[in-house]
This record gives sequence, structure tokens and C-alpha cells, in this order.
Amino acid sequence: EPEVTQTPSHQVTQMGQEVILRCVPISNHLYFYWYRQILGQKVEFLVSFYNNEISEKSEIFDDQFSVERPDGSNFTLKIRSTKLEDSAMYFCASSQLAGGEDTQYFGPGTRLTVL
Amino acid sequence: GQNIDQPTEMTATEGAIVQINCTYQTSGFNGLFWYQQHAGEAPTFLSYNVLDGLEEKGRFSSFLSRSKGYSYLLLKELQMKDSASYLCAVRDDTSGTYKYIFGTGTRLKVLA
Repeated sequence: EPEVTQTPSHQVTQMGQEVILRCVPISNHLYFYWYRQILGQKVEFLVSFYNNEISEKSEIFDDQFSVERPDGSNFTLKIRSTKLEDSAMYFCASSQLAGGEDTQYFGPGTRLTVL
Repeated sequence: GQNIDQPTEMTATEGAIVQINCTYQTSGFNGLFWYQQHAGEAPTFLSYNVLDGLEEKGRFSSFLSRSKGYSYLLLKELQMKDSASYLCAVRDDTSGTYKYIFGTGTRLKVLA
């Protein structure tokens, strides 16, 4: 069964450093998403991406964040100048459709720890 | 404001039925989703409602009342593997595109 993959599974970085989280969505999916989940808290929507541009972003997704689909298979989330409060699990998701029962398939997540 | 409320924790016995409630207040509504999330894992899709009424999928059913801003997830014939968090999420289309708002999740413990 096709699945969303994410690398790395765990990333440790120093405050102020840049990190890039990588995702490979399911191959025939067109819509891509990033979410984060701080330990013990709710899943928070960050951004959705379609047709090589951002469709929607939340208040959390400020200038510190950017997304890119560099090569037709990868979907990346870049966090510039990481802060302690960026420590969280970051989930990538993809869906074939938008709207209706657009079942989003989540990747296993990248646990980001900012020291 | 955007708000989704669910009970924090519930406990039930193997073989029983449990109902997990979700109330929401969002500026736009374009569907309600239920996800299951085991500890340390990614959410997995369980159900979707956009019209009022009950949707049934095997042991899982989900109900929606849009006028009341209310949904529930019903789990029948509980099994130990159903111990997980259950997340209620609303798709908000206020801006013309979709944003997904999650509740804090309900941690369900199934006891033998």
C-alpha cells in the first residue's frame, strides 16, 4: 500500500540553526500539507500546497517557515533560525483531492528537538 | 473564534460501546473528520461527515449535526487495540481555500 514517508525520523538542532524536513507524498496525490504537534498538545495545521504554490497557511506559518516541492517527488518544510518552541513532531500529509472526502494520508512524522 | 472541544480522556471495557463527543465553533464549515492516533504515531483517517446524519463504517460510526455544531464517534465491540487518541477535525473554508482545525483529542483507554 502506498504511504507517505518522512526523513529524518528525529532531528536535533541548536537554536538559531536552519532545518529542512523532508517528505515524499504518495505519488498520484496532488495536495500536500504540513502539520505540527507539540508534545501532549493538539495537531496544528501549518500549510497546504497545490500546483507548486501555497493554498492556505495558518497564523503559525510565519516568515520563519517555507515550503518547496523541489523535484516532483519531495515536499520540504524549511524552518529558518529555529527557536526552542519549534520543538514538536512535524507531520506531512497528502491527498488526491481537495474537498469532499479528501482522505489525508499522514507520514510517520519527524520529531524536531531544538536545544 | 475557532474552537473544537472534546473530552480529554475516556475509559471503557473491552466489548463495550463508547461514544466520543465533539463540539465545534468555526467561522466556516466544509466537513468534519475523525482520526485515530496511537501514541507516538501519525493520525489515521477514520470517518468524514459533511451532511447531517450518521455514517457507518464497520465498528465505527460518526454522526453530525451542523445546526448544533456537534459530532460524535461511536465505537462498538471495543477491542484493546482501540486504545488510542481520537481526534475531531473541522475543515474550514472561510477564506475560499481549506484549513484544517483539530481538537485536542480524546484519549481512550480500553480495559480488559
